[in-house]
Amino acid sequence: GQNIDQPTEMTATEGAIVQINCTYQTSGFNGLFWYQQHAGEAPTFLSYNVLDGLEEKGRFSSFLSRSKGYSYLLLKELQMKDSASYLCAVVDSNYQLIWGAGTKLIIKP
Amino acid sequence: GAVVSQHPSRVICKSGTSVKIECRSLDFQATTMFWYRQFPKKSLMLMATSNEGSKATYEQGVEKDKFLINHASLTLSTLTVTSAHPEDSSFYICSAPSSGDYNEQFFGPGTRLTVL
Repeated sequence: GQNIDQPTEMTATEGAIVQINCTYQTSGFNGLFWYQQHAGEAPTFLSYNVLDGLEEKGRFSSFLSRSKGYSYLLLKELQMKDSASYLCAVVDSNYQLIWGAGTKLIIKP
Repeated sequence: GAVVSQHPSRVICKSGTSVKIECRSLDFQATTMFWYRQFPKKSLMLMATSNEGSKATYEQGVEKDKFLINHASLTLSTLTVTSAHPEDSSFYICSAPSSGDYNEQFFGPGTRLTVL
């Protein structure tokens, strides 16, 4: 079966760095998305990785290792507004989205 | 976790035809479901909120006569793209919040619509 695993909840301190991991087992791979979702709002696109390596976009970076079925989202200089759910989603061989359950990130002052 | 399914997963149709997409919550009841549209490598755009037993709530700029939504039961919402045109080609995704907690949503695998 197809499966995406990410931690249910994480807590971090304002100004710190946090890494949210995502591991996947899917039938084929055509890319991996990270989305941020604040309560009551639609998910916001953060990154799309299809090749191995690290992609940096300001305070957010995303890493992918296809051989390990592994990705992480790195958030630096955490701000209170970063408190949200972070969703990992993989595009499988049929170009269907396989969604992780999301990681709820709580930022403390 | 809860499962949301969509049918069909992929559809190709001619311009001018109507296409119906189903969204089902398989092991939980959903009084509310959300319909999104995704453009390549972009954020999901919320189109409408589907409410069981009542009219859907559409986001600004979404034509309600173009995208018909019906939420006839607690486990099924349908999106019908009427008189589809090539610009309607997109990836349509539905989601349903877990009961009692709108902070936790379960997403469907998406339906890829191609209008020729």
